[in-house]
Amino acid sequence: SAVISQKPSRDICQRGTSLTIQCQVDSQVTMMFWYRQQPGQSLTLIATANQGSEATYESGFVIDKFPISRPNLTFSTLTVSNMSPEDSSIYLCSVGQENQFFGPGTRLTVL
Amino acid sequence: QQQVKQSPQSLIVQKGGIPIINCAYENTAFDYFPWYQQFPGKGPALLIAIRPDVSEKKEGRFTISFNKSAKQFSLHIMDSQPGDSATYFCAASMGGGSEKLVFGKGTKLTVNP
Repeated sequence: SAVISQKPSRDICQRGTSLTIQCQVDSQVTMMFWYRQQPGQSLTLIATANQGSEATYESGFVIDKFPISRPNLTFSTLTVSNMSPEDSSIYLCSVGQENQFFGPGTRLTVL
Repeated sequence: QQQVKQSPQSLIVQKGGIPIINCAYENTAFDYFPWYQQFPGKGPALLIAIRPDVSEKKEGRFTISFNKSAKQFSLHIMDSQPGDSATYFCAASMGGGSEKLVFGKGTKLTVNP
């Protein structure tokens, strides 16, 4: 299994600002995934990030709100733009194919 | 539209009991069904997974039962312990190059000492 780290682990942000979340993997991986987990809820896939191509977004998520970078095979960032309190969630990255392994998550609170 | 339905939402058992968590799906294109365990403040951790051509799979105290015709699968935890108290998610993916996971809503399990 891969070892995945995320930064920051948590943050409190003001409405209207943006936050960039980093995901680092200890091995090269083709696909990385970004999920959102709203308080007490399940996980919802935001987008799939492949190195060297544009991220693929799921229904209900758009690039302007959640821009993603994937500069190499071990790193990705997710930006939550123009934040509102509704964006308060845990954001998780994962890697793998059938067996996906998750990072510890970034707990975001928007005031 | 929720593609994987999970029940119950919460479950309380005594130590040594056998909690059972159930999931159902409709999309027959799903061909891989993992279960994840999540402790508070942590990311989900893969617990066990099964394919629809297998009716049962055991790993330690965790067992998945799969009923392909009913499109249902369940997780059983044998000899449950207080350390098993966590939220459990079932999930499904289509494989064939599509690794996107669709998650159930989760079951919060409490195992009392």
